[in-house]
Amino acid sequence: EPEVTQTPSHQVTQMGQEVILRCVPISNHLYFYWYRQILGQKVEFLVSFYNNEISEKSEIFDDQFSVERPDGSNFTLKIRSTKLEDSAMYFCASSGQGADNQPQHFGDGTRLSIL
Amino acid sequence: GESVGLHLPTLSVQEGDNSIINCAYSNSASDYFIWYKQESGKGPQFIIDIRSNMDKRQGQRVTVLLNKTVKHLSLQIAATQPGDSAVYFCAEIPNSGGSNYKLTFGKGTLLTVNP
Repeated sequence: EPEVTQTPSHQVTQMGQEVILRCVPISNHLYFYWYRQILGQKVEFLVSFYNNEISEKSEIFDDQFSVERPDGSNFTLKIRSTKLEDSAMYFCASSGQGADNQPQHFGDGTRLSIL
Repeated sequence: GESVGLHLPTLSVQEGDNSIINCAYSNSASDYFIWYKQESGKGPQFIIDIRSNMDKRQGQRVTVLLNKTVKHLSLQIAATQPGDSAVYFCAEIPNSGGSNYKLTFGKGTLLTVNP
């Protein structure tokens, strides 16, 4: 069964450094998403992406965050200058149609630890 | 300051029993709902979905019930197995303000299956 893959599984970064989290969505999917989950809390929406542009973003997704689909297979989340409170699990998801037509399928996440 | 995680509702059942996990959703205009299962160290895994024009949908060993009157969703798992032990999240697509992209997750229920 096709799946969403994320790398690395664990990223440790110094505060203030840039970090790039990588995702390979399911190959025929058109909609891409990032979510995050702080330890012990709910999964929170960050951003959705379709047709090479952001469709929607949350208040969490401020100017320090950006997303990119640099080629036909990868989807990345960049945090420009990391803060301690960015420590969380970051999940990438994809869906074939709009989010209200098909379920989003998630990767196993990248654990981001900011020191 | 230190953030406090949510205290998850928990459900403990014996192997072979049926499980019922409940969820109250927030937006009466939401029209698409999904149940996800999250095992430790993994991403949310799609289980079953339902649209607001239905009140029941069945899958393999799982049934989702939707009560729009009281904004309540439930997941029934038949003949629960140890492999069903996980945190279960309901998620909705809020359909207000033209947003049809982001999933809003509930806080989850920890299901423990005792052999």
